[in-house]
Amino acid sequence: DTGVSQNPRHKITKRGQNVTFRCDPISEHNRLYWYRQTLGQGPEFLTYFQNEAQLEKSRLLSDRFSAERPKGSFSTLEIQRTEQGDSAMYLCASSLRGLGDSPLHFGNGTRLTVT
Amino acid sequence: QKEVEQNSGPLSVPEGAIASLNCTYSDRGSQSFFWYRQYSGKSPELIMFIYSNGDKEDGRFTAQLNKASQYVSLLIRDSQPSDSATYLCAVMDTDKLIFGTGTRLQVFP
Repeated sequence: DTGVSQNPRHKITKRGQNVTFRCDPISEHNRLYWYRQTLGQGPEFLTYFQNEAQLEKSRLLSDRFSAERPKGSFSTLEIQRTEQGDSAMYLCASSLRGLGDSPLHFGNGTRLTVT
Repeated sequence: QKEVEQNSGPLSVPEGAIASLNCTYSDRGSQSFFWYRQYSGKSPELIMFIYSNGDKEDGRFTAQLNKASQYVSLLIRDSQPSDSATYLCAVMDTDKLIFGTGTRLQVFP
């Protein structure tokens, strides 16, 4: 169990640029989640996958955001035409099964700063 | 959308005291509740989860659930300075967690 891995740890970009983040879940975990957290707030749900299927997307996720999980392993989160309001910590988490009997494990996050 | 409310704090307690953290939730049908700890600049880590009414104990931590009043509590006995962190309460909504804003706990020597 090497934990949930996220890359990069930090990303600074200019407004209007596209960015992509990667998440590698714990091996054999079939659930993968993306959350966003800003200072002083709790994590906000963005989307989640069961294997390669994206099962739910939050209304927070505008059409500038897209997430994929090809082959049910790693996942990417892309933000197009970034805005300053996108500045946040993007957290990835995984669980072995449903949350009813399998805890959610978070990665260390990718901190995005949009200038 | 289910909501979770927490006092942002900070809650300051002396070392060795009991810290009591509270959380209320909006959906009476909620059944699963989680407490996460988050150190500054780090990611959340699970402390405890609780499904049924009453108390659940794990070491110095006790989670209490009162469904009739729709609140969840976390008690930390013999608080240590290393317990200083933000404590996040979360409710399970279908297959995702809805988090509160967190309560910042400060344990002073």
